Amino acid sequence: DVKVTQSSRYLVKRTGEKVFLECVQDMDHENMFWYRQDPGLGLRLIYFSYDVKMKEKGDIPEGYSVSREKKERFSLILESASTNQTSMYLCASSPHSPKLAGVLGEQYFGPGTRLTVT
Amino acid sequence: QQQVKQSPQSLIVQKGGISIINCAYENTAFDYFPWYQQFPGKGPALLIAIRPDVSEKKEGRFTISFNKSAKQFSLHIMDSQPGDSATYFCAASSRTGTASKLTFGTGTRLQVTL
Repeated sequence: DVKVTQSSRYLVKRTGEKVFLECVQDMDHENMFWYRQDPGLGLRLIYFSYDVKMKEKGDIPEGYSVSREKKERFSLILESASTNQTSMYLCASSPHSPKLAGVLGEQYFGPGTRLTVT
Repeated sequence: QQQVKQSPQSLIVQKGGISIINCAYENTAFDYFPWYQQFPGKGPALLIAIRPDVSEKKEGRFTISFNKSAKQFSLHIMDSQPGDSATYFCAASSRTGTASKLTFGTGTRLQVTL
């Protein structure tokens, strides 16, 4: 079974703090993704990475950055946390080749980190 | 703007009834349409998916109906059970290099009552 783990389930930070969210997957997947989930807005893609040290902006990258130094680990960084970044953050991974995925485009999600910025 | 529109936002169905969730999309470049199911405290998990060259796909009690000309697709849950109570997200996939990006709908919270 694919396992995607996130470093914290709950996190409380103060405005202006630098925040690191860590994600690790154990299936040797090339692609990794960071989403935020908000009520009524669904899941929105922040950033994704298709290889080590490679990254692409998603739909809402403002205020975030990412780091992928190792294939299994993808970090989301909030340089200066703000209250409007209070949200549930979800990490996901998927393999490159559709032949390796059970279904084309399937992403495997971690349990999420609920971040509160006060 | 929301590229994948999902309705209703919430749904209450009696046990044994049919749950129907609808989605519509605009981008014709989408090439794959999955549905994800999310239970409280968990991340979303793939439930069922369909390619645009197929009009219907059925897996057990779950069926996707797809209307390419109308750019709409829907999830039907037959004989709904309390264990189906969860949030459901439709999504649409597009290729970006070697990655498949998913654009999600806003979600439907389904409650199945006894």
